[in-house]
Amino acid sequence: SQTIHQWPATLVQPVGSPLSLECTVEGTSNPNLYWYRQAAGRGLQLLFYSIGIDQISSEVPQNLSASRPQDRQFILSSKKLLLSDSGFYLCAWSVPTRIYFGEGSWLTVV
Amino acid sequence: GENVEQHPSTLSVQEGDSAVIKCTYSDSASNYFPWYKQELGKRPQLIIDIRSNVGEKKDQRIAVTLNKTAKHFSLHITETQPEDSAVYFCAAGSDSGYSTLTFGKGTMLLVSP
Repeated sequence: SQTIHQWPATLVQPVGSPLSLECTVEGTSNPNLYWYRQAAGRGLQLLFYSIGIDQISSEVPQNLSASRPQDRQFILSSKKLLLSDSGFYLCAWSVPTRIYFGEGSWLTVV
Repeated sequence: GENVEQHPSTLSVQEGDSAVIKCTYSDSASNYFPWYKQELGKRPQLIIDIRSNVGEKKDQRIAVTLNKTAKHFSLHITETQPEDSAVYFCAAGSDSGYSTLTFGKGTMLLVSP
């Protein structure tokens, strides 16, 4: 069966520091991969999606970026965090349409 | 782009009652409509989905209905139980090889014993 792992689970970062969240999927090949953000008490916002290695689309212009160095690995990065980047970040995968979420990463920017 | 409206934002029911959550969407090209349940501090879990070639789908105590003409779909939970308490999200998107879903803002369902 397919599993998705995401880390770290929680992190507290100062404003202006870099960010790296990682996600890997097991048990499937060539998955569609996604990064979502959920602000406190709000819905899910799609940040990036990828249909293959080096094929990444951005939905929201901001100071975040995503990379997919391997078929089942998806990384969310930032060079300089803003206070507004705080939230619950969720990696997800789909083959082809049903989306399944990872455990999530709680990011607090202070 | 797609816009999804979800109502109500909060819903309180007694155990055993039914609960209904409604969503509307704007893009007539959307043909895939999932529902997610998110317990506090946890990831959203897919509980049921429907595609636009189907008007209704049922899975035990939960059911989803879709009205393509009116562009709205609903989640129905019967015989609610305290463990049904959670935030429920609807979403709409295209079923075209990958999913760029647009989510509603969520409904907090509280089931009182």
